[in-house]
Amino acid sequence: GAVVSQHPSWVICKSGTSVKIECRSLDFQATTMFWYRQFPKQSLMLMATSNEGSKATYEQGVEKDKFLINHASLTLSTLTVTSAHPEDSSFYICSASIVRYTEAFFGQGTRLTVV
Amino acid sequence: QKEVEQNSGPLSVPEGAIASLNCTYSDRVSQSFFWYRQYSGKSPELIMSIYSNGDKEDGRFTAQLNKASQYVSLLIRDSQPSDSATYLCAVSDMRFGAGTRLTVKP
Repeated sequence: GAVVSQHPSWVICKSGTSVKIECRSLDFQATTMFWYRQFPKQSLMLMATSNEGSKATYEQGVEKDKFLINHASLTLSTLTVTSAHPEDSSFYICSASIVRYTEAFFGQGTRLTVV
Repeated sequence: QKEVEQNSGPLSVPEGAIASLNCTYSDRVSQSFFWYRQYSGKSPELIMSIYSNGDKEDGRFTAQLNKASQYVSLLIRDSQPSDSATYLCAVSDMRFGAGTRLTVKP
């Protein structure tokens, strides 16, 4: 149980285009989902926390207009990187919790390369 | 700024030894704590969660929580080379420490 699927696993896009990443909880309903970015040899940086049906709460320094997060249902959250640039290239990972402040389960991550 | 601090390591132990990983946190209202393991190039996987002061054991893993000292630790008994990974501590709001890289040498 507690499976989170993230899609795509990797994506290459041209600078200036937008990329959408999906995060789905397959066997549970997730009231809270989290989005992270991880650069090589660094830890997970929390980008935003989203609750189903409400606006995401972004961490300080994360541009909400650039990283659009939608949590439209209890099993799906999406992250859209708009007008991507090479510096946005990173490993993006989502996680989902059944109940907030309890354990979260991670998707497999999406490796984004902007060329 | 709420912070989660971990010794970045690297920590190296021989096979069969006990590995001890530590984590401190700044937010006193945190009520839940988590240990994750991350292999290189992969996403984190949950090892244990702990909510109450004291010890919690699961197989070779023991988590210890001391809310008064704002300290949580993870002990890995009979360490195996397959335990070589980065261990991440997280608190209630899913903020992570920098992680401790553990190497278990055969």
